[in-house]
Amino acid sequence: AQKITQTQPGMFVQEKEAVTLDCTYDTSDPSYGLFWYKQPSSGEMIFLIYQGSYDQQNATEGRYSLNFQKARKSANLVISASQLGDSAMYFCAMRGAGSWGKLQFGAGTQVVVTP
Amino acid sequence: KAGVTQTPRYLIKTRGQQVTLSCSPISGHRSVSWYQQTPGQGLQFLFEYFSETQRNKGNFPGRFSGRQFSNSRSEMNVSTLELGDSALYLCASSLAMPPAETQYFGPGTRLLVL
Repeated sequence: AQKITQTQPGMFVQEKEAVTLDCTYDTSDPSYGLFWYKQPSSGEMIFLIYQGSYDQQNATEGRYSLNFQKARKSANLVISASQLGDSAMYFCAMRGAGSWGKLQFGAGTQVVVTP
Repeated sequence: KAGVTQTPRYLIKTRGQQVTLSCSPISGHRSVSWYQQTPGQGLQFLFEYFSETQRNKGNFPGRFSGRQFSNSRSEMNVSTLELGDSALYLCASSLAMPPAETQYFGPGTRLLVL
């Protein structure tokens, strides 16, 4: 069985500061994908970044980077230079090999960016 | 390119009724997945369709069903609604090309069952 754990229910961060959101996962699949999504209060899930289990380098997308530590089974999201518009719920998700179309989500972390 | 669209955006039903939600994927995407999001259970996978075939199913009762049409549009149906079915229903589409298979989500349908 696959499991995603996000231990930080919520956090405040000041504008222009960096923030790290924790995500640990558990799977027996040798091949899997890790994703981060952002969900503003409007409800839509916005894809941020992807990391494959066999990728040698950590993924980066603009201000988002993924700190992938395979041995520790962690995939932390780092948001650099936070902006007010970054206030949202952030979800870590995983797709295992053969899990057609199924993402397993963590409970999420609520981020509030303050001026 | 247009994103994933879902209709209706909001819906109010009463217990015992049935409801049909619609999802139009991004052009060219052949995989459509459905999720239920509630404050208590979080995001839970309902099912996934690819080329009109259900390839994967979550742990939901048979009252939840879906289908996909030849143009990749998908519908999900919930029969005999219960209060606990009140949720945000999200649909996501992907190219279904391993290994990434990134899913792109629609705005969701908020269902309230009274």
